[in-house]
Amino acid sequence: AQSVTQPDIHITVSEGASLELRCNYSYGATPYLFWYVQSPGQGLQLLLKYFSGDTLVQGIKGFEAEFKRSQSSFNLRKPSVHWSDAAEYFCAVAPRAGSYQLTFGKGTKLSVIP
Amino acid sequence: DAGVTQSPTHLIKTRGQQVTLRCSPKSGHDTVSWYQQALGQGPQFIFQYYEEEERQRGNFPDRFSGHQFPNYSSELNVNALLLGDSALYLCASSSRTEITYEQYFGPGTRLTVT
Repeated sequence: AQSVTQPDIHITVSEGASLELRCNYSYGATPYLFWYVQSPGQGLQLLLKYFSGDTLVQGIKGFEAEFKRSQSSFNLRKPSVHWSDAAEYFCAVAPRAGSYQLTFGKGTKLSVIP
Repeated sequence: DAGVTQSPTHLIKTRGQQVTLRCSPKSGHDTVSWYQQALGQGPQFIFQYYEEEERQRGNFPDRFSGHQFPNYSSELNVNALLLGDSALYLCASSSRTEITYEQYFGPGTRLTVT
């Protein structure tokens, strides 16, 4: 069975600082990987996804993620964090491209201090 | 263009009761998935509906059932409520004709079981 681990429950960064959120997955075949963001009272919004090809994926709001098969990781990065980035971030995996059955990690809450 | 809408926003029920949650997908979408998000956890896949039939199901008991209507809207029913059913229930919609496999999430229904 596939699984996703987000090792950091809560991260605090200063506004303008760089950010990296970690995600490790466990899946035997080629994974289809996603990062979602959830703001209080909001649904999940897709930041970016990886299906195949270039292992560095660009997303919305200035986020990017790098797929590393050898490390089973799909870490999310942003060079300069804005206060509006404070939210909860979820990494997710699907068993195949056509499956909507996502397995999510437990999430990382991001706090941004001025 | 309205996104995914869910009703009600909040709901309080008593153990043993039954509840129905509703979801209207994003315009143009034909597939609806339901997720349960317990406090402090990532969303867990309940099931997916397409062409008015349940197509995929996660590890949830039969107390959880659903329905999809000809207009693609969907209902999630939970019978014999338990305290552990208290959670945020998220609906996600997608289109099987889109190769992006992106799911759009609604804001959720917060269910509290007392």
